[in-house]
Amino acid sequence: GENVEQHPSTLSVQEGDSAVIKCTYSDSASNYFPWYKQELGKRPQLIIDIRSNVGEKKDQRIAVTLNKTAKHFSLHITETQPEDSAVYFCAATVGGWTGKLIFGQGTTLQVKP
Amino acid sequence: EPEVTQTPSHQVTQMGQEVILRCVPISNHLYFYWYRQILGQKVEFLVSFYNNEISEKSEIFDDQFSVERPDGSNFTLKIRSTKLEDSAMYFCASRLGQGLGGNQPQHFGDGTRLSIL
Repeated sequence: GENVEQHPSTLSVQEGDSAVIKCTYSDSASNYFPWYKQELGKRPQLIIDIRSNVGEKKDQRIAVTLNKTAKHFSLHITETQPEDSAVYFCAATVGGWTGKLIFGQGTTLQVKP
Repeated sequence: EPEVTQTPSHQVTQMGQEVILRCVPISNHLYFYWYRQILGQKVEFLVSFYNNEISEKSEIFDDQFSVERPDGSNFTLKIRSTKLEDSAMYFCASRLGQGLGGNQPQHFGDGTRLSIL
């Protein structure tokens, strides 16, 4: 069925360290993989995305990698800062052209100063 | 930067009552979505809407739910007879419609917190 698994559920790092969050998806037709950051009580905010024809994408301290064969993708945050603390959700499009997103369970990232 | 706007921010309703949640998607977007998020859980897809009709819906989106685009700007979610388990944050999202495949960013509104008493 349609499923996105996300690990870990919580992640605590020291300021300046790197953080990595991993997701796997089940639908081999998935072709778009966004990452959202959600602060408490706020909207999910798109931070980076990757399409299935690309293996890696970087935007300053944030990067995403995609392995289509293994059906997994990862978020990498380098030089973490306290303001990176939030819940991060991965997602994948499933089922075709409608753009329906299936979300992972979320990772609570805590960056300790 | 254009944003998806949602009203109200918080809606408190008695069980069994009807609620309408309102959204104004980004003006040149063509695809519209409703998602919900129960407190502390992941975001769940409810329904997608394109060309004035539902393009896909989830198992959650049963006969109690309906969506409408009554004019050129608003996109509404109606729950006919609310249940306690409908309590959640409801997010509206929209995206451009360039090409097929669904691989364009979806922009989310701030959400409506629905509390059923």
